[in-house]
Amino acid sequence: DAGVTQSPTHLIKTRGQQVTLRCSPISGHKSVSWYQQVLGQGPQFIFQYYEKEERGRGNFPDRFSARQFPNYSSELNVNALLLGDSALYLCASPPASGVTDTQYFGPGTRLTVL
Amino acid sequence: GESVGLHLPTLSVQEGDNSIINCAYSNSASDYFIWYKQESGKGPQFIIDIRSNMDKRQGQRVTVLLNKTVKHLSLQIAATQPGDSAVYFCAETLGFQKLVFGTGTRLLVSP
Repeated sequence: DAGVTQSPTHLIKTRGQQVTLRCSPISGHKSVSWYQQVLGQGPQFIFQYYEKEERGRGNFPDRFSARQFPNYSSELNVNALLLGDSALYLCASPPASGVTDTQYFGPGTRLTVL
Repeated sequence: GESVGLHLPTLSVQEGDNSIINCAYSNSASDYFIWYKQESGKGPQFIIDIRSNMDKRQGQRVTVLLNKTVKHLSLQIAATQPGDSAVYFCAETLGFQKLVFGTGTRLLVSP
């Protein structure tokens, strides 16, 4: 069984640009969450989606948006990039919806904003 | 690869020692707790979890202790190995699976 997958692995953008990050949850599972991890800190919750609906949003500006597709994959979009958006962006999903709260994480996308 | 955390609290142990990593959580209403291990350049890896109605849970070489009175979690690793070297995070959650992570502790295991 494939775990959580993310693409791309690394990305370099300049200030003001827009970026789209992609995530596929554990096969067959309906929930994805996005986290931002700045160097030296723990991950910070951005969004959770379940069955294509937003179920939670963290304390991030409106420049951050996300969506979930019918196949349960998800995209995270960040507009008007700032230097401070440089971070590891992590996607997570539970192994079995409704069975456990455990979140399993993908390898992340390293975004560098210059 | 890149370092996950440059200025994290660090625990240095010798191979074969037992390690104890501590974490203070913030929300007394949290009902589920998880320990993650994160190696450089990788996503967090699930280690062990515990629900708030339990005080202790054991896995393979790892034990998690929960003290709700003082909002404290600990992770005990038996017979620590060099492959255990990583940054360890505790996380708490309530309800719909939003995780709140602690600061993190870097574990360094020397042979």
